[in-house]
Amino acid sequence: GDSVTQMEGPVTLSEEAFLTINCTYTATGYPSLFWYVQYPGEGLQLLLKATKADDKGSNKGFEATYRKETTSFHLEKGSVQVSDSAVYFCALSDANSGNTPLVFGKGTRLSVIA
Amino acid sequence: EPEVTQTPSHQVTQMGQEVILRCVPISNHLYFYWYRQILGQKVEFLVSFYNNEISEKSEIFDDQFSVERPDGSNFTLKIRSTKLEDSAMYFCASRVGTSDTQYFGPGTRLTVL
Repeated sequence: GDSVTQMEGPVTLSEEAFLTINCTYTATGYPSLFWYVQYPGEGLQLLLKATKADDKGSNKGFEATYRKETTSFHLEKGSVQVSDSAVYFCALSDANSGNTPLVFGKGTRLSVIA
Repeated sequence: EPEVTQTPSHQVTQMGQEVILRCVPISNHLYFYWYRQILGQKVEFLVSFYNNEISEKSEIFDDQFSVERPDGSNFTLKIRSTKLEDSAMYFCASRVGTSDTQYFGPGTRLTVL
């Protein structure tokens, strides 16, 4: 079945450092790819998405490019802030899987220190 | 901006008791979902619901679970006889028909003692 593999955390960075969180996927069809963020004590918020190969999703300084050849959707940010501290989840939605439930990775906890 | 809401935010119950978790999806959305997240683990799909019936369910969603849309706004998850291992955060999500983006509620933390 479909699956998402994420870089294990936790990740601790200093403010203004460069962030990469790796995500690779396995899917039978042509999935849409998502990054969700979970701030402490809150629910899941959509951060960005990409629906087809070579699409780049971006939001709040975060970017991820849908790479079909490497089945990857790595999350990057050029300069992290303390307010970016959260858990980041990579997910896919495969249109061939009925009512498109999301398949999540295990999540990567990011801590940014001042 | 419209959002998915869930009540209660935290529910504590005794093993064997029934619980009902409530969700109000975004008003023009047509597809509804329940997911759960056991502490420290990944978010797992439970069930999807469309046109007043279950469209897909996972292995986790056994006979102890049921979902209902009792009126035009609420979407509920019932656990008939809770077990210790049902302790988790339960998320409701919804989406419109024309997009595959799901919007999540803040979650209900269920603690089974």
